[in-house]
Amino acid sequence: DADVTQTPRNRITKTGKRIMLECSQTKGHDRMYWYRQDPGLGLRLIYYSFDVKDINKGEISDGYSVSRQAQAKFSLSLESAIPNQTALYFCATSEGTGVVPYEQYFGPGTRLTVT
Amino acid sequence: QKEVEQNSGPLSVPEGAIASLNCTYSDRGSQSFFWYRQYSGKSPELIMSIYSNGDKEDGRFTAQLNKASQYVSLLIRDSQPSDSATYLCATRTSGNEKLTFGTGTRLTIIP
Repeated sequence: DADVTQTPRNRITKTGKRIMLECSQTKGHDRMYWYRQDPGLGLRLIYYSFDVKDINKGEISDGYSVSRQAQAKFSLSLESAIPNQTALYFCATSEGTGVVPYEQYFGPGTRLTVT
Repeated sequence: QKEVEQNSGPLSVPEGAIASLNCTYSDRGSQSFFWYRQYSGKSPELIMSIYSNGDKEDGRFTAQLNKASQYVSLLIRDSQPSDSATYLCATRTSGNEKLTFGTGTRLTIIP
């Protein structure tokens, strides 16, 4: 089984709808992240969480919210979807301590289309 | 100026040759450096991380870091068609949780 899973894998929704993307991990990592990827813009950080009680905004958090329900679960919500939120969304995890330089491991991604 | 710059490619390399991918970064506080491979429509897969000047080898892959020149590279020896993908360079600054990604170099290995 995959260490980091995301649901749904594909979603088409209409402008103004609320949508939630979910991420679960079995790696036992404390840190979890949400990124979006757009052609020509690369990966950009939306939100990240060190643990259940510690959530932080990334560089493009406007229009998004998150919830860390447990160490293993981190959800991303679009309260009112708009077409320019059409993108590929990735969840990632990393350890918080140790000798590895905070290597991040990505889930399979969710392709979101807002019409 | 972008914080992390990569040549977008495409870079075409014959099978069996060495592929050389380059990345420059602007933040001198960058401490950790990462190379990810991403197949079209798939998620980034970590290949290597490096945080000390010099070379780090892992199988057919070698990462090279030169902090003075703000330059990190990835060499792929004995290139295989399965190495055809987009390669993302990422940096992390000490005390900053954020990874800053380049936009990637598309590599094509020609059989």
